[in-house]
Amino acid sequence: GQNIDQPTEMTATEGAIVQINCTYQTSGFNGLFWYQQHAGEAPTFLSYNVLDGLEEKGRFSSFLSRSKGYSYLLLKELQMKDSASYLCAVLDSNYQLIWGAGTKLIIKP
Amino acid sequence: EADIYQTPRYLVIGTGKKITLECSQTMGHDKMYWYQQDPGMELHLIHYSYGVNSTEKGDLSSESTVSRIRTEHFPLTLESARPSHTSQYLCASSGGLATDTQYFGPGTRLTVL
Repeated sequence: GQNIDQPTEMTATEGAIVQINCTYQTSGFNGLFWYQQHAGEAPTFLSYNVLDGLEEKGRFSSFLSRSKGYSYLLLKELQMKDSASYLCAVLDSNYQLIWGAGTKLIIKP
Repeated sequence: EADIYQTPRYLVIGTGKKITLECSQTMGHDKMYWYQQDPGMELHLIHYSYGVNSTEKGDLSSESTVSRIRTEHFPLTLESARPSHTSQYLCASSGGLATDTQYFGPGTRLTVL
């Protein structure tokens, strides 16, 4: 079966750095997406990785290792508005998105 | 401004009623999707469309139907609502490439009493 694993919840302090991990086992791989979802709202796109390595976009970076079936999202200089769920999703061999359950990130002052 | 819209945003309805959730996008996207999401859970694909007159069922077994008569419009219909249909329904669209990012509408929160 296809499976995406993320921690259920993480807590971090305002101004700090946090790394949210995602491991996946899917039938094929055509890229990995990270989305941010605030409570009661729709997911918004953060990043897309299809090649190994680190992609940096402002305070957010995303890393991919295809051989390990592993990705992480790195958030720097955390702000209170970063409190949200972070969803990892993999595009499988049929180009269907397989979604993780998301990691709820709580930021404390 | 190009965007994706869903109406209604909230709906409370009794068991057995027929309902249609509306989704429209002004981005000119060929592909559109309907997802169901319960709190703290992953998104489940219930229907998708790759263009006009194209509709497919997703992974989640659903008693809903969809239609795609116009590129910009992708409504979801429940013929007879049940309490088990209570959930958040999210509509998304993406461009022509298989790896294109999906962009989401604000969602409809449905409660069936």
